[in-house]
Amino acid sequence: AQSVTQLGSHVSVSEGALVLLRCNYSSSVPPYLFWYVQYPNQGLQLLLKYTTGATLVKGINGFEAEFKKSETSFHLTKPSAHMSDAAEYFCAVSAISGGNQFYFGTGTSLTVIP
Amino acid sequence: NAGVMQNPRHLVRRRGQEARLRCSPMKGHSHVYWYRQLPEEGLKFMVYLQKENIIDESGMPKERFSAEFPKEGPSILRIQQVVRGDSAAYFCASSPQSGRGETQYFGPGTRLLVL
Repeated sequence: AQSVTQLGSHVSVSEGALVLLRCNYSSSVPPYLFWYVQYPNQGLQLLLKYTTGATLVKGINGFEAEFKKSETSFHLTKPSAHMSDAAEYFCAVSAISGGNQFYFGTGTSLTVIP
Repeated sequence: NAGVMQNPRHLVRRRGQEARLRCSPMKGHSHVYWYRQLPEEGLKFMVYLQKENIIDESGMPKERFSAEFPKEGPSILRIQQVVRGDSAAYFCASSPQSGRGETQYFGPGTRLLVL
């Protein structure tokens, strides 16, 4: 069975500081991993995804994530936080069998302090 | 290209009433997923449908909940005899293919409040 764990339900950073949101996964096969962002009262928007190939994945809005198999991690980073980055961030892993349903973490709420 | 459409965006029902949530996938997408987000929680998979077929409903409660995706028209998630615990945000996602790793595109959600 697959699952993801997001450590830290709330993260606060100063504007201009590094953003680091943690995601660890559990999967019996090579995982396909996703990061989505959710702004208040909106749907989820894809930031980036890892399927195969290069382990450092670049996404939209300056975000990137690195797949580390040895650490079963897929942490999301951004060098310099902007006020507009304040949102809820979800890590997800794709199901192994059946359809392509996603298993989501519980989310990390990012606050950016001016 | 319009994104995934969901309506209504907000729905208020009294206990015992029925709730019908609609989802129109992106153009060209024939795979639809429904997820439920309870307050302070992540999204939980409910059901996966293709046109006229339910492929996987393993996340759907056994009673009161049903889903369909007819040949014509939107996908419908139906909740009969709603209870307060059904209050949540319901998201629909669509994808053009069903292969593992395919990106899912999410709608804005329907926020259901049961009084």
